[in-house]
Amino acid sequence: NAGVMQNPRHLVRRRGQEARLRCSPMKGHSHVYWYRQLPEEGLKFMVYLQKENIIDESGMPKERFSAEFPKEGPSILRIQQVVRGDSAAYFCASSPGKGASYTFGSGTRLTVV
Amino acid sequence: AQSVTQPDIHITVSEGASLELRCNYSYGATPYLFWYVQSPGQGLQLLLKYFSGDTLVQGIKGFEAEFKRSQSSFNLRKPSVHWSDAAEYFCAVGANTGNQFYFGTGTSLTVIP
Repeated sequence: NAGVMQNPRHLVRRRGQEARLRCSPMKGHSHVYWYRQLPEEGLKFMVYLQKENIIDESGMPKERFSAEFPKEGPSILRIQQVVRGDSAAYFCASSPGKGASYTFGSGTRLTVV
Repeated sequence: AQSVTQPDIHITVSEGASLELRCNYSYGATPYLFWYVQSPGQGLQLLLKYFSGDTLVQGIKGFEAEFKRSQSSFNLRKPSVHWSDAAEYFCAVGANTGNQFYFGTGTSLTVIP
């Protein structure tokens, strides 16, 4: 029973490039959450999705960031025209229902050079 | 406003000593409370959770936590720390009606022989 799978584990992008982060939830989990962890800070909520729907994106920056969770395939967090301040660890979590405890993936560590 | 405070940024204990990590929260609804542990470069692993019922909850790896509603606290304890417990510990609060969990900034635990 695989857990939450995130890839890549590490991603290096030059300023101005696009970053795509993937997350496959645990089997049977239809709720996906993305969190960002800046150096020496806690996790900050970005977006909450169910299949084909964005439920809450109140934590997403207004520009350059987008997320999707298609009917088939993983959830994608997309960052366009990355800047140095986007360097962080991005964690995906999934749950079987709203408010249930999360299972976290191992994260994608994005470095913008 | 919803928030979690972990007053201790860094704690150092000797192996075999007892441990208590503090967590205070502010939340408008009946809270769900969680403790997660993060090893360097890894994702977050759930140690324990409180939804309702007995206010003293047992978790994995010998950890326990006590919910005190009057103090808005959910402190994590372990009677005898092992070197492998060295990690970052995060307290989080949420609710079954909410779309996100709120995380504290974490407490870094160092264990000395």
